[in-house]
Amino acid sequence: GAVVSQHPSWVICKSGTSVKIECRSLDFQATTMFWYRQFPKQSLMLMATSNEGSKATYEQGVEKDKFLINHASLTLSTLTVTSAHPEDSSFYICSAGVRGALTGELFFGEGSRLTVL
Amino acid sequence: SQKIEQNSEALNIQEGKTATLTCNYTNYSPAYLQWYRQDPGRGPVFLLLIRENEKEKRKERLKVTFDTTLKQSLFHITASQPADSATYLCATSGTYKYIFGTGTRLKVLA
Repeated sequence: GAVVSQHPSWVICKSGTSVKIECRSLDFQATTMFWYRQFPKQSLMLMATSNEGSKATYEQGVEKDKFLINHASLTLSTLTVTSAHPEDSSFYICSAGVRGALTGELFFGEGSRLTVL
Repeated sequence: SQKIEQNSEALNIQEGKTATLTCNYTNYSPAYLQWYRQDPGRGPVFLLLIRENEKEKRKERLKVTFDTTLKQSLFHITASQPADSATYLCATSGTYKYIFGTGTRLKVLA
């Protein structure tokens, strides 16, 4: 199946700093990528839909100035958590579909565990 | 609003038995349903997709059914093994995004 690579897999940072997470589709082009946040023992919470070459679409309640998303190429989307605080600590996962935005299965990255001290 | 529910938060079964997980949907008619496996600290992995005009789909020890009358999909793992222990998520595409259930944590006891 298609491969989505996410980096870093874990990161620890101090409160107030910014952290960038990369999501790459390795063997296919992804015009749309999805960013999720997951708390322990809970399901995936969609944060935003990242569209190549245009602004991301954020879900209600997600601060777009806090979680900056850039999808500059067909194989790379980045999520930057700006001025991170302990409450931003979570598991962040990206995904993309081979066949288009809402068609067929999703391929997920390995996830990035963010811990803000 | 469009909703997917997995009623069992956790399920424990003995090795060798068949595990059956349930996914119910409300307020819409999805064209397909998907099942994913998620291990702790990892991203979900796609397992199976079943379309609304398919009653059943199989892949090795996995079987998925889709009942549009009951608005339900069942996910079966036959001859379960401890290595099958994980969280299983059902999902489908809504109007503009994928919708995921809360997942069922399956534990297969040796």
